[in-house]
Amino acid sequence: GAVVSQHPSWVICKSGTSVKIECRSLDFQATTMFWYRQFPKQSLMLMATSNEGSKATYEQGVEKDKFLINHASLTLSTLTVTSAHPEDSSFYICSAKTSEGLADTQYFGPGTRLTVL
Amino acid sequence: RKEVEQDPGPFNVPEGATVAFNCTYSNSASQSFFWYRQDCRKEPKLLMSVYSSGNEDGRFTAQLNRASQYISLLIRDSKLSDSATYLCVVTRYSSASKIIFGSGTRLSIRP
Repeated sequence: GAVVSQHPSWVICKSGTSVKIECRSLDFQATTMFWYRQFPKQSLMLMATSNEGSKATYEQGVEKDKFLINHASLTLSTLTVTSAHPEDSSFYICSAKTSEGLADTQYFGPGTRLTVL
Repeated sequence: RKEVEQDPGPFNVPEGATVAFNCTYSNSASQSFFWYRQDCRKEPKLLMSVYSSGNEDGRFTAQLNRASQYISLLIRDSKLSDSATYLCVVTRYSSASKIIFGSGTRLSIRP
């Protein structure tokens, strides 16, 4: 199946710093990428939908100025958590959707565990 | 009311048992349905798509009931390795594509 990678897999940072997370589709072109956040023992919450070459669409309650998304190519999307605070500590997962095959199928990256001290 | 609802469980069943759980969705415009499996502290992995005609993959059977707006997952001859959280995913298309995850059903298989 399609492979999606994320980098870094975990990061610890000080409060007030910014953290960039990369999401790459390794063997396919992703027309759309999604960013999710998952707190312990809770389900995935969609943060934003990102289409290559256009602005991301953010879900209600997600601050677009705090969570900057750049989808520069069909294989790369980045999420930057600006001025991170302890309440931003979470598991961030990206997924990518291809226009081929099962078009609605999402392929998930392995996730990035962010801890803000 | 959530758009996609699942019984959070946990379902605790012995190895070899058959277990089934449902997921209900409230928006009749929903078009695509999936079951994902998520292990603790890992990303979700696609288990199977769900079609109106039902589909089977080994010990797993998924069914869709559009009239009653639910999907189901049946696991036969359960294995210890089936212990995980099973997420129901529903997508629909209006002005923009919408993907909604259920909160998941935790399944624990005991020896």
